[in-house]
Amino acid sequence: AQSVTQLDSQVPVFEEAPVELRCNYSSSVSVYLFWYVQYPNQGLQLLLKYLSGSTLVESINGFEAEFNKSQTSFHLRKPSVHISDTAEYFCAVSDNTDKLIFGTGTRLQVFP
Amino acid sequence: EAGVAQSPRYKIIEKRQSVAFWCNPISGHATLYWYQQILGQGPKLLIQFQNNGVVDDSQLPKDRFSAERLKGVDSTLKIQPAKLEDSAVYLCASSSTLGARETQYFGPGTRLLVL
Repeated sequence: AQSVTQLDSQVPVFEEAPVELRCNYSSSVSVYLFWYVQYPNQGLQLLLKYLSGSTLVESINGFEAEFNKSQTSFHLRKPSVHISDTAEYFCAVSDNTDKLIFGTGTRLQVFP
Repeated sequence: EAGVAQSPRYKIIEKRQSVAFWCNPISGHATLYWYQQILGQGPKLLIQFQNNGVVDDSQLPKDRFSAERLKGVDSTLKIQPAKLEDSAVYLCASSSTLGARETQYFGPGTRLLVL
């Protein structure tokens, strides 16, 4: 069975500092990996996804994540965060059954 | 393009009462999902529709939860009777079709509090 682990429930960081949100998964088959973001009082929005090909994927707002098969990880990074990045971030995994399995989320709090 | 619509946004009921949530997916999206998100946890899939047929309802507590998508467009999720542990955010999502590679688009959710 698939599972997703997000070890950090909260990550506080100052504005313009780099950040890494960790995600590890377990699966016995090939997977697709996703990061979703949930801003306060809004629904989840897809941030980026890995389907195949290049292991480094990027979003339009400066986030990137790297698929590491040997370490079964898909960590999310941003070199310089903004106040507006404050949100909850969910890592999710899917195999070819198209069911999304979500992690418990990481709350990113950016301070001025 | 309008997003996924859900109503109501908030609902407070007492245990043993019934409640219903409504979802209107993005126009043209064949696949519709209902998720339950308990505080401090990630969303958990309850049921998945493809058009008006159920694809997966293995995680739906069928003794109290029911869902339908009669015309293959909007959907309702019902809880009867509600329990305290049903307090959660109920999220509806849609995608253009089935497939693990398809992006799911989420609505704002309905926050349910059972007293």
